[in-house]
Amino acid sequence: TQLLEQSPQFLSIQEGENLTVYCNSSSVFSSLQWYRQEPGEGPVLLVTVVTGGEVKKLKRLTFQFGDARKDSSLHITAAQPGDTGLYLCARPEGWGGGNKLTFGTGTQLKVEL
Amino acid sequence: GAVVSQHPSWVICKSGTSVKIECRSLDFQATTMFWYRQFPKQSLMLMATSNEGSKATYEQGVEKDKFLINHASLTLSTLTVTSAHPEDSSFYICRASGGGTSGRREQYFGPGTRLTVT
Repeated sequence: TQLLEQSPQFLSIQEGENLTVYCNSSSVFSSLQWYRQEPGEGPVLLVTVVTGGEVKKLKRLTFQFGDARKDSSLHITAAQPGDTGLYLCARPEGWGGGNKLTFGTGTQLKVEL
Repeated sequence: GAVVSQHPSWVICKSGTSVKIECRSLDFQATTMFWYRQFPKQSLMLMATSNEGSKATYEQGVEKDKFLINHASLTLSTLTVTSAHPEDSSFYICRASGGGTSGRREQYFGPGTRLTVT
């Protein structure tokens, strides 16, 4: 199984600050997904990126897929306490929405007032 | 949309006993079920994959005789932790995959089950 490294592992910031989370691998992705998970709950899909260089926006969240499809980033603008949670990148094996999913190491974000 | 539920959401058991966790899909035929384990402050680790009516395929390092998976129907899969020990305490999450009404494969995560072994 190819390892998906996320950085940073932990991040504690003040409300209103910006932040970027990175997901890196030595192998090429066919696609990549980002999830957010809150304590005691299952992960929730935020976005799927497929094309190298692709940029997707979800309100204050901006997702970018690297040109070589080996890395991705998640940028949050003006973070809010509601953004607190565990952010996970994940690589689906194959195409479609239901294949084996390998998760990254995770980034624990805490946004304080 | 489809909903995947897990039962129980939280369970405490004594060391040496067995615990069964259910994962049910509502309005969705889960042809494939994935079971994950998550330790505190860590990511999700895939334990096994099961297709309805077939034996589960376990990831390397996961004991198939300890973590029994049954996927006898398209709406129910169970994970039984046999002879549980404190190191089995974790958050267990199922992920259901199958054909949706759109004709494409869809996936839904369960809300997870917190297991504490004393």
